[in-house]
Amino acid sequence: GQNIDQPTEMTATEGAIVQINCTYQTSGFNGLFWYQQHAGEAPTFLSYNVLDGLEEKGRFSSFLSRSKGYSYLLLKELQMKDSASYLCAVGEDTNAGKSTFGDGTTLTVKP
Amino acid sequence: DVKVTQSSRYLVKRTGEKVFLECVQDMDHENMFWYRQDPGLGLRLIYFSYDVKMKEKGDIPEGYSVSREKKERFSLILESASTNQTSMYLCASSLSPGPVTYEQYFGPGTRLTVT
Repeated sequence: GQNIDQPTEMTATEGAIVQINCTYQTSGFNGLFWYQQHAGEAPTFLSYNVLDGLEEKGRFSSFLSRSKGYSYLLLKELQMKDSASYLCAVGEDTNAGKSTFGDGTTLTVKP
Repeated sequence: DVKVTQSSRYLVKRTGEKVFLECVQDMDHENMFWYRQDPGLGLRLIYFSYDVKMKEKGDIPEGYSVSREKKERFSLILESASTNQTSMYLCASSLSPGPVTYEQYFGPGTRLTVT
């Protein structure tokens, strides 16, 4: 099975940097995903890591350490529109494309 | 752009009714998923399908069934709706060329209320 932990809530200030952590314990691993979900909307894909290291995509970066079962999402130059829930998801090593989702971290960006 | 559409954004049904939730994707994805999302419980997988007419139970299949007669369409059926099935239902799809897990594309969701 899969167990994914991430903080429930975080608060940060506009213009700052925030790091959202995710730890996982899985029986199989086929990549780690981050999704963003604004209130009342569907999740949208942000990033994917399958190898150790940092992947950068504009203001967002994601890091993975497979040996530690650890990932983080780094958001720079925070904007008010970044207030959302951020879901960490671990891909399962099956052919069905399944992922197990964490409960999400609700980020509130304050002026 | 991948587009996943769901038949209704909001739905109100009575206890005991049979409910159909439809999902259509336009990107020829092999995999399709049905989740429900409840406050404090995250996204929970109900059923998924990796090919036409193929279906697999997820983590919480009780009280639900699915149908996938065509590649682009995946239907979720609540055989006899109950109040504890009041929830946000999200459909998603993804590619499946081999053993790689790809990102999922979600529909806008259906907020179902069972009274």
